[in-house]
Amino acid sequence: DSGVTQTPKHLITATGQRVTLRCSPRSGDLSVYWYQQSLDQGLQFLIQYYNGEERAKGNILERFSAQQFPDLHSELNLSSLELGDSALYFCASSGLQGTEAFFGQGTRLTVV
Amino acid sequence: GNSVTQMEGPVTLSEEAFLTINCTYTATGYPSLFWYVQYPGEGLQLLLKATKADDKGSNKGFEATYRKETTSFHLEKGSVQVSDSAVYFCALVYGNNRLAFGKGNQVVVIP
Repeated sequence: DSGVTQTPKHLITATGQRVTLRCSPRSGDLSVYWYQQSLDQGLQFLIQYYNGEERAKGNILERFSAQQFPDLHSELNLSSLELGDSALYFCASSGLQGTEAFFGQGTRLTVV
Repeated sequence: GNSVTQMEGPVTLSEEAFLTINCTYTATGYPSLFWYVQYPGEGLQLLLKATKADDKGSNKGFEATYRKETTSFHLEKGSVQVSDSAVYFCALVYGNNRLAFGKGNQVVVIP
């Protein structure tokens, strides 16, 4: 158990809909990262938050957004969903710069 | 930019065989390098890491050496078990502790 909790584990939704994925980091970790794992793109970094503030952006679509709350949990919001958004979405957390990132078990999103 | 390249395709081998998965990287400077493993239905777990040139990371019988000259970090295990069947990802860290991953290699160990 990595200590990073993601909910839900599975999500099936229709095209055009909006979903929210939730991540609770390990206790004490201030950084949260979101990654997308798809068959064609592999594992890609989406966005990072540190202590409530956006720190870095990767290949995140404009239809996607995220935030980190005062209790340090994070949410990834995906809107106007398309079939191609079907993927496994991972959250990771870490402490200070340069320390290991721990991954959650992921949320498998299926858009039908 | 920062990127990681892994050899193409799945790897199928018999129990007790020798495993090698190639990984090369492109990066600014000398980033820390990692191997992550993803067992079926699970998240990513850190398998081993190396933080500087010539470092050897090792865990659970797996080893990888940080080779600056060849920009490589190949994963090896001398005698695989069925329980090693998983997807293996090579990665490097850049920026604010972000990870760039290779495409991953599915390893299937046959009894």
